[in-house]
Amino acid sequence: QKEVEQNSGPLSVPEGAIASLNCTYSDRGSQSFFWYRQYSGKSPELIMFIYSNGDKEDGRFTAQLNKASQYVSLLIRDSQPSDSATYLCAGGGNYQLIWGAGTKLIIKP
Amino acid sequence: NAGVTQTPKFRILKIGQSMTLQCAQDMNHNYMYWYRQDPGMGLKLIYYSVGAGITDKGEVPNGYNVSRSTTEDFPLRLELAAPSQTSVYFCASTTGSGEKLFFGSGTQLSVL
Repeated sequence: QKEVEQNSGPLSVPEGAIASLNCTYSDRGSQSFFWYRQYSGKSPELIMFIYSNGDKEDGRFTAQLNKASQYVSLLIRDSQPSDSATYLCAGGGNYQLIWGAGTKLIIKP
Repeated sequence: NAGVTQTPKFRILKIGQSMTLQCAQDMNHNYMYWYRQDPGMGLKLIYYSVGAGITDKGEVPNGYNVSRSTTEDFPLRLELAAPSQTSVYFCASTTGSGEKLFFGSGTQLSVL
C-alpha cells in the first residue's frame, strides 16, 4: 500500500527560528511532491512543490527531495506566529496524490 | 473569479438519508477531485475526473457516486448515509496531473 508518513507533532518552534518538517514515502514511482499548509477549519493551500532531487527555495521556504532515501522535507526560516498550522505532505504521479496525516506546527512568540 | 465553490458548508444527516454535495469551478480545469478528511488525518481520495464524462474511483469510493456532465460541475452523491461518512469533504480542481490543487472551502458532514 502506498503511504506517506509524517510525524503528527505538535512541533513547537520559537519565533524567528528554523522549523524543519519531514515526510517519507513508500512509492518509488512518485514523481511530484507537495507541501500544503492547512489552518484549523480551513482548506489546504499550496506552499511548495518539488519534482527533482535537491533543494528548491521560495522566500522563507525551502523544500528538499531525496528520492534515493524517499524523503521530502520543508524548512521554514524566520518562523512567524502566522506559520502556526498543520503542514500536509503529498506525493504521487499521474492523477492521484497520496497524503500524509500532517504535522502540527506551533510557533511560540 | 470565484475559484472552487462547494455547497453546503455544513449538513447533518440521519442514517439512511441521501444527499448531494455540490462542487463547481470557473477556471476551466479538466481535473477535479473529491477528498474526505477525518480528524487528525490526511486527505483520502474518493473519486476523481479528468474531464467531462470521465470519472474514476479513488481510495475510498464505497458509499459514494459522482457524475461529470460539464467541465464546471462535479457533484458527489451520498446514498444511504452511515456514521462512517461523518467527515469534512473537500472538492479540488487543477489544470493537470502534478499541478497545484485549488480547493473549495469544504463541507462539514455529520451523520447521526
